[in-house]
Amino acid sequence: AQSVTQLGSHVSVSEGALVLLRCNYSSSVPPYLFWYVQYPNQGLQLLLKYTSAATLVKGINGFEAEFKKSETSFHLTKPSAHMSDAAEYFCAVSDQLTGGGNKLTFGTGTQLKVEL
Amino acid sequence: KAGVTQTPRYLIKTRGQQVTLSCSPISGHRSVSWYQQTPGQGLQFLFEYFSETQRNKGNFPGRFSGRQFSNSRSEMNVSTLELGDSALYLCASSTPTNTGELFFGEGSRLTVL
Repeated sequence: AQSVTQLGSHVSVSEGALVLLRCNYSSSVPPYLFWYVQYPNQGLQLLLKYTSAATLVKGINGFEAEFKKSETSFHLTKPSAHMSDAAEYFCAVSDQLTGGGNKLTFGTGTQLKVEL
Repeated sequence: KAGVTQTPRYLIKTRGQQVTLSCSPISGHRSVSWYQQTPGQGLQFLFEYFSETQRNKGNFPGRFSGRQFSNSRSEMNVSTLELGDSALYLCASSTPTNTGELFFGEGSRLTVL
């Protein structure tokens, strides 16, 4: 089964600083990978996805992620943090099921705090 | 295009009761999945419905059930509620592709007292 590991349950950065959220995956086949963001009391919003096209994926709100097969990583970055980026971020891998369809297996999440 | 709509957003129940949560997917989406989110266990897959049939099921007891209607709307039911069922229940819909991208609703927050 596919899995993802997020390193660091809490990350704190200063406003304007680089954001780096780490995600490593385990997959026996080329994976489809996702980053989702969750604001308090809300559902999950898709930030970006990797579906085996370009290895550098650009998403919404200035975020991007690079798929590195050699490192089995899919880290999320943003050059300059904004206060509005404070939220919880989840890395996920798609698991194609024998019955058809997909399910996402999520990491444990990283809470991003942005300080003035 | 309207997003995934879940009702109710918040509800409080007592142990032993049952609860039904509703989900309306994005128009045109025929697959609906349900996830449970708790601080201790994170996001866990409950089940997925497609064309009114449960296609996949996670590792939850039989107290958790669901169904999907012909208009793709879905409901999930939890019977004989336990304190540990307190969670945010998230519904997601998707198009029939192989990439696995899901579109989530805002969730139904269940508190069991």
